Amino acid sequence: AQSVTQPDIHITVSEGASLELRCNYSYGATPYLFWYVQSPGQGLQLLLKYFSGDTLVQGIKGFEAEFKRSQSSFNLRKPSVHWSDAAEYFCAVKGGGNKLTFGTGTQLKVEL
Amino acid sequence: GAGVSQSPRYKVAKRGQDVALRCDPISGHVSLFWYQQALGQGPEFLTYFQNEAQLDKSGLPSDRFFAERPEGSVSTLKIQRTQQEDSAVYLCASSPEGGLREQYFGPGTRLTVT
Repeated sequence: AQSVTQPDIHITVSEGASLELRCNYSYGATPYLFWYVQSPGQGLQLLLKYFSGDTLVQGIKGFEAEFKRSQSSFNLRKPSVHWSDAAEYFCAVKGGGNKLTFGTGTQLKVEL
Repeated sequence: GAGVSQSPRYKVAKRGQDVALRCDPISGHVSLFWYQQALGQGPEFLTYFQNEAQLDKSGLPSDRFFAERPEGSVSTLKIQRTQQEDSAVYLCASSPEGGLREQYFGPGTRLTVT
């Protein structure tokens, strides 16, 4: 069975600082990996996805993520955080079936 | 174009009542998914349709939960005899096809059972 671990429940960064959100997955074959963002009262918005090929993927809003098979990781990064990035971030994996398996999320707070 | 829409956005039910939650997927999307998101948790898969066929219902927590998509577009998630532990946000997502394509999520329905 597939699973996702997001070790950081809360992260606080200053506006303009860099950001890295961690995601580790468990799946026997090559996974399909996603990062979603959820603002209060909103649905999930896709930031980026990895299916195959280049292990560094670019997404919307200046986010990027790197797939590292050896570490079973898919960490999300942003060079300079904006106050509007404050939200909850979810990593997800799609394995053998069609469903997504999500992590428990990381709540990002941005200090001005 | 229009995204996934869900109604109602908020629902308060007394314990024991039946509720019906509606999802309108993006037009033309073949696949439709329901997820349950408890407070402070990530979404958890409930069930999946490809057109009108329910291909996976392994995530439905009990036989009180029932989903349908009779014409392959709009879907309804029904919860009978609601319990307090059913309180959660119910998210619907659609996808152009069931394989590699990403899922597009609606805003969710927040269900509170009192």
